[in-house]
Amino acid sequence: DAGVTQSPTHLIKTRGQQVTLRCSPKSGHDTVSWYQQALGQGPQFIFQYYEEEERQRGNFPDRFSGHQFPNYSSELNVNALLLGDSALYLCASSLYRASGANVLTFGAGSRLTVL
Amino acid sequence: SQQGEEDPQALSIQEGENATMNCSYKTSINNLQWYRQNSGRGLVHLILIRSNEREKHSGRLRVTLDTSKKSSSLLITASRAADTASYFCGRYSGTYKYIFGTGTRLKVLA
Repeated sequence: DAGVTQSPTHLIKTRGQQVTLRCSPKSGHDTVSWYQQALGQGPQFIFQYYEEEERQRGNFPDRFSGHQFPNYSSELNVNALLLGDSALYLCASSLYRASGANVLTFGAGSRLTVL
Repeated sequence: SQQGEEDPQALSIQEGENATMNCSYKTSINNLQWYRQNSGRGLVHLILIRSNEREKHSGRLRVTLDTSKKSSSLLITASRAADTASYFCGRYSGTYKYIFGTGTRLKVLA
């Protein structure tokens, strides 16, 4: 049973460019969340997608946008890249439960370096 | 900013010793979860404790929850070099936003 798959693993961009990161959730999961993790910090919530809609968003500017497809896979897009966007981007999938006892399954992450 | 904080920020122990790390939070919870992260990879779920539970065990892991103090602790007994990792507590902030603290970096020396 495949877990969460993220691509690309590593990428280097320059300031002002745009980047798209991709995530395939664990089989059976319907919800995808994206996190940004700077070096030495905890993961910061960017947003969550469920039923192809953004359900909640963290404190990130509109330069960060996403999409969820009918097969539950997801993309994270970042426009007008800044040096401060350099981080590990983590995708986490889960199966929605109204009880809130949702266990997240994480991918290995996409390491973005902005020069 | 993070709404959960782990302490200590870093912990270094000898193999075989016990490691204890703590997590504090600010608002009410339905459950709290602990995750482990090895060297810049994805987080791995360790254990979930519900708000009506006070203690939970899983192998060498023991988690306690004190909702009156808004705190939780993770105890790893008989630590091994392979336990070297960062440990995060996570919880819901609002309905869908799942947040993590700053983490405890554990180093187990062989």
